[in-house]
Amino acid sequence: KNEVEQSPQNLTAQEGEFITINCSYSVGISALHWLQQHPGGGIVSLFMLSSGKKKHGRLIATINIQEKHSSLHITASHPRDSAVYICAVGDMDSNYQLIWGAGTKLIIKP
Amino acid sequence: DVKVTQSSRYLVKRTGEKVFLECVQDMDHENMFWYRQDPGLGLRLIYFSYDVKMKEKGDIPEGYSVSREKKERFSLILESASTNQTSMYLCASSLNPQGASGAFFGQGTRLTVV
Repeated sequence: KNEVEQSPQNLTAQEGEFITINCSYSVGISALHWLQQHPGGGIVSLFMLSSGKKKHGRLIATINIQEKHSSLHITASHPRDSAVYICAVGDMDSNYQLIWGAGTKLIIKP
Repeated sequence: DVKVTQSSRYLVKRTGEKVFLECVQDMDHENMFWYRQDPGLGLRLIYFSYDVKMKEKGDIPEGYSVSREKKERFSLILESASTNQTSMYLCASSLNPQGASGAFFGQGTRLTVV
């Protein structure tokens, strides 16, 4: 069983829809990260969370430490949001290791 | 404004060849990472380096080696390329030794071994 599970693996939605991507993990973590990978490969760090909620523009990330679960929400989705969204957790027992989810491929249709 | 540069976007090599993937960052970061990314598996750490001439094995170091002679440059070496090393290779650098937070990634090198 993977230590970091993302769902769904693939998501297609219409422009304007509210999007939710989920990440569940089974290890003790120092922090959880959400990243975005555009077609072509480049990866951008979106959020780092250790508790609560963070917001940046139309993106909102939440984490529930007790339930070992995080969600990434996109409000008023737009075709330019189409990308792979990746969850990664910092392993509490390692200074260096990150454990990566497999990613969620999001397609927003106009 | 490019901060992490990988030497090639696409590379095709023959089985048995020695392959060098180069990564250069201009942010004076101490920590640099090499990952490979395969469909359905997410990013897997090959090697990382937290200082010049220092290296640590990641999750899948077999078949790879690395070199960090200068702070800004971290090279990944495939000693004898094999078809199962066909993949997307991503380099990253960060201030945070765990990477991700404040990490900058290169555009990736899609390597095909034939």
